[in-house]
Amino acid sequence: DADVTQTPRNRITKTGKRIMLECSQTKGHDRMYWYRQDPGLGLQLIYYSFDVKDINKGEISDGYSVSRQAQAKFSLSLESAIPNQTALYFCATSDNEGSNEQFFGPGTRLTVL
Amino acid sequence: AQKITQTQPGMFVQEKEAVTLDCTYDTSDQSYGLFWYKQPSSGEMIFLIYQGSYDEQNATEGRYSLNFQKARKSANLVISASQLGDSAMYFCAMRAYNTDKLIFGTGTRLQVFP
Repeated sequence: DADVTQTPRNRITKTGKRIMLECSQTKGHDRMYWYRQDPGLGLQLIYYSFDVKDINKGEISDGYSVSRQAQAKFSLSLESAIPNQTALYFCATSDNEGSNEQFFGPGTRLTVL
Repeated sequence: AQKITQTQPGMFVQEKEAVTLDCTYDTSDQSYGLFWYKQPSSGEMIFLIYQGSYDEQNATEGRYSLNFQKARKSANLVISASQLGDSAMYFCAMRAYNTDKLIFGTGTRLQVFP
């Protein structure tokens, strides 16, 4: 079983709809992250959380919100989706030791019409 | 501000040859980490190799090695003996130890031909 899972894997929605993307991990890591990737670009950080009570904005948090329901779960919400939020969304986790390598989920491809 | 620059949008290499993917970075931090990730057409992000700013030896992981030149602020990825399965996007990323956030470059698309 995958260590970091994301649901759904693909989603098509309409402008103005509320969307929630979910991330779960079995790695036991405290730190979790949400990134978005636009075509032809690298990943940009949306939000990150160092533990259940710690939520921080990343580079591009406008239009997004998050919820850290438990150590293992970190959800990303688009309150009112717009077309330029069409992208590939990644969840990642890391521990706070060593290289702090981030382990990525498989990604969610979101299309906003 | 931290920044990662990958100047090669695309690279071609023949199977079994070595290839170098360039990465330069900009930071005022003394402690940082450098990463390379591979993204195949299926979309997932696969960790390849890590180099800490205080590591004196260049990192190696199998066919991957990182040519770390701290004074030049470069962290190039070298793939030896390229395989067809190496065809993918490759991203360089940097993390400052005090923030734990990853800053990514725009990537290099590598295509390996027979």
